[in-house]
Amino acid sequence: GQNIDQPTEMTATEGAIVQINCTYQTSGFNGLFWYQQHAGEAPTFLSYNVLDGLEEKGRFSSFLSRSKGYSYLLLKELQMKDSASYLCAVRDDKIIFGKGTRLHILP
Amino acid sequence: DAEITQSPRHKITETGRQVTLACHQTWNHNNMFWYRQDLGHGLRLIHYSYGVQDTNKGEVSDGYSVSRSNTEDLPLTLESAASSQTSVYFCASSESRQVPYEQYFGPGTRLTVT
Repeated sequence: GQNIDQPTEMTATEGAIVQINCTYQTSGFNGLFWYQQHAGEAPTFLSYNVLDGLEEKGRFSSFLSRSKGYSYLLLKELQMKDSASYLCAVRDDKIIFGKGTRLHILP
Repeated sequence: DAEITQSPRHKITETGRQVTLACHQTWNHNNMFWYRQDLGHGLRLIHYSYGVQDTNKGEVSDGYSVSRSNTEDLPLTLESAASSQTSVYFCASSESRQVPYEQYFGPGTRLTVT
C-alpha cells in the first residue's frame, strides 16, 4: 500500500532553522516533491528530489534517502511568511500526498 | 500568461443534485488531476488524465466522474451529491515531458452539500 508520514504540526522561531521530516512506503518511486500551502490558498511547488542527496534552493533545502524511504525539508532564516503547511508527495505512476505539516512561526 | 482556473470558486448544492466543477488550463499540459482536501486527510486524488480521451481513477473516485475531450479542460462531475463530498476541490496540471513534472494547482473550489 501507499503511506506517507509527516508530523502534523511544528513550531519554530523567526530567524531559526527548522527541519520537516517525511517518511514513505510506496509501491514505486519516481521522485519526491515538497509543496508549500498557505491557509486558504493552493499548494505551490518548492522542490523535487529523485536521486539521493541534498538539493538547495535559497533558504530551502530538501534531502532524500531512497534506501531509507526518507526525506526532509530544511528551512533556514525563518520568516513570518513561512507560516504555512508543507506537503510531502511521492510520485510512482501518479502523485500521492502526505497529510501535510502545519508550521507556526513565532516572533 | 499561462494559467489554470477553476469555476465556480464557491458552490452550495443540495443532496442528490448533479454538480460539475470546471477546470481549464492554458499551459497545454497533457496531465491533469483532481484532488479533494479535507482537514485531517490532506490532498486525496480523485481522478487523473494523461491526455485526451484518457481518464483514470484515483484513491477516492467513488461518486465522481471526469471526461477529457480536449487538452485544456477536465470537468469533474458529482453524479448525486452527498454531504460527505463537502470539501475543497483542487485541479492541477503538469507537463509530461520535462522533469520535474511539478503540478500547478488551480485556486480551488469550495463545495458545500446541504
